Amino acid sequence: DQQVKQNSPSLSVQEGRISILNCDYTNSMFDYFLWYKKYPAEGPTFLISISSIKDKNEDGRFTVFLNKSAKHLSLHIVPSQPGDSAVYFCAATGGANNLFFGTGTRLTVIP
Amino acid sequence: GAGVSQSPSNKVTEKGKDVELRCDPISGHTALYWYRQSLGQGLEFLIYFQGNSAPDKSGLPSDRFSAERTGGSVSTLTIQRTQQEDSAVYLCASLVGGTQYFGPGTRLTVL
Repeated sequence: DQQVKQNSPSLSVQEGRISILNCDYTNSMFDYFLWYKKYPAEGPTFLISISSIKDKNEDGRFTVFLNKSAKHLSLHIVPSQPGDSAVYFCAATGGANNLFFGTGTRLTVIP
Repeated sequence: GAGVSQSPSNKVTEKGKDVELRCDPISGHTALYWYRQSLGQGLEFLIYFQGNSAPDKSGLPSDRFSAERTGGSVSTLTIQRTQQEDSAVYLCASLVGGTQYFGPGTRLTVL
């Protein structure tokens, strides 16, 4: 039972444009959300996070938005760069020991 | 070390054989996680170690899977009598400040 869902397996964006990656969750107990980026043959690396007490967190070109009523979060990358091409995983936790991950979205930024 | 390391990076084994996967977490990180990523799937939680507490084994898929952590540092994930469905990338992560830092993973292929 997938508690965190990323319904778009892939996304292609032109360099310089905005990339929007979406994530939905089903468990209302989740209170902390993270985005990870993964290059081939490497482990995921932490990108940005947001607590449920906020609806937006920004770090440079990366912004995460949280809509608790819709159980939806999104990652915006602007402007997109070719080096951003990777698989992006959304993850959520409710204070338990483990993170629940989505299946990932492969972002391709076209030069 | 500077990051989480895992060995081997790749392992090919025959069905029915046992395998051991190793994780060296970031020095001083007391929490350690094992995940696996099967083809086309999200990261699946396997087991969690925190200090000297009993590990959270709730994610282990069968009794063929076991893990230990010696001296609160290095961890070994053992899969006995491997099956083809065990083929996946096995990722280890250690935790600091609420953020998990992942190793590069071990790609296990069971023939």
